[in-house]
Amino acid sequence: KAGVTQTPRYLIKTRGQQVTLSCSPISGHRSVSWYQQTPGQGLQFLFEYFSETQRNKGNFPGRFSGRQFSNSRSEMNVSTLELGDSALYLCASSLASGNIQYFGAGTRLSVL
Amino acid sequence: GQQLNQSPQSMFIQEGEDVSMNCTSSSIFNTWLWYKQDPGEGPVLLIALYKAGELTSNGRLTAQFGITRKDSFLNISASIPSDVGIYFCAGQLLGTGNQFYFGTGTSLTVIP
Repeated sequence: KAGVTQTPRYLIKTRGQQVTLSCSPISGHRSVSWYQQTPGQGLQFLFEYFSETQRNKGNFPGRFSGRQFSNSRSEMNVSTLELGDSALYLCASSLASGNIQYFGAGTRLSVL
Repeated sequence: GQQLNQSPQSMFIQEGEDVSMNCTSSSIFNTWLWYKQDPGEGPVLLIALYKAGELTSNGRLTAQFGITRKDSFLNISASIPSDVGIYFCAGQLLGTGNQFYFGTGTSLTVIP
């Protein structure tokens, strides 16, 4: 069974641009959560989607948004990029909301 | 958001030594998870704990769900070089919409 797949693995953007990250969950998993990981802040929860609906949201500005499709694949979008958005963005999937989460390898975003 | 205090922040040990790390919170958790993250990769689940007092092993790894439900411990016996990485605890808080909260990580270096 394939694991959680995140694309792309690496991204370089400049300030003010926007970016879209993609996550394909483990087959059969319907919940997808997104996290931002930085050396100073650790893993910070962004949001969780289950059955195409946002269930939980972390404390991030509105520039960070996401969505989930009917096949459970999820995308995360960051608009008007700032230097501080440089981080490893991790996606985790679970069978249902509240179940154990399995992580993808992440997308490393660098904002110049 | 909830804070999970994970300690120590980093450890440098000789190969063959045993390792102990812990995670504490001021809140009661109903699930504790331990993950390991290798450089450039996403966290990989090591052990899941569901009941207070539960002791679970996975090879040389042993984790315990604290009796007070506010802490958890991870022990690694007879460390080997491939144990190098960052270990994260994660807790699921009762009544919070099933969100998981992560500790800040323990960086482990094993000296051959």
